[in-house]
Amino acid sequence: DGGITQSPKYLFRKEGQNVTLSCEQNLNHDAMYWYRQDPGQGLRLIYYSQIVNDFQKGDIAEGYSVSREKKESFPLTVTSAQKNPTAFYLCASRPTADPNYGYTFGSGTRLTVV
Amino acid sequence: QKEVEQNSGPLSVPEGAIASLNCTYSDRGSQSFFWYRQYSGKSPELIMFIYSNGDKEDGRFTAQLNKASQYVSLLIRDSQPSDSATYLCAAPLNSGGYQKVTFGIGTKLQVIP
Repeated sequence: DGGITQSPKYLFRKEGQNVTLSCEQNLNHDAMYWYRQDPGQGLRLIYYSQIVNDFQKGDIAEGYSVSREKKESFPLTVTSAQKNPTAFYLCASRPTADPNYGYTFGSGTRLTVV
Repeated sequence: QKEVEQNSGPLSVPEGAIASLNCTYSDRGSQSFFWYRQYSGKSPELIMFIYSNGDKEDGRFTAQLNKASQYVSLLIRDSQPSDSATYLCAAPLNSGGYQKVTFGIGTKLQVIP
């Protein structure tokens, strides 16, 4: 079945540590996105990629980095510069960047700072 | 700041009733609107989208769009306890020449058996 796979489901980060969240899709979608969800807030866009080898900052990119070397993969690194990383991270994709397409979401990664 | 606004709820309805969820948006240029359902602890799932003024029906769900008044709503008929979830409204809003999808904070729906 086609879909988006995020791993790990739960991740614990120590202070000063970089961690990488995986996002893989087999939907043949060009556009991929990373969102962060905090209680009581809407989804906030971290980074997006409209096509392989290209990506753009979203609204809250500070302390995060991404790569898009393959169409199927869009990993997110949470660096030590991100001071409040505890959140639910969601990867999404759609066929193209055309805003008339809805998103398919992965199952999410819950990151906690310990 | 262009926004998508929803009442966070919770909205409580008895089983079998009609649940009405509302959303307003600030960008008159928005063309398409989406409703996502998110169960507690899970990721959002697309359940409805609408592009044209009027109603769009899919099973027990009806999306309603009024572009003149800039609101979109989701009606759930014959509400079931399994409909209890948070419903997110989303619309692409123009942001520096890019159509950025903006989500509301979501309305929590509780269907009481």
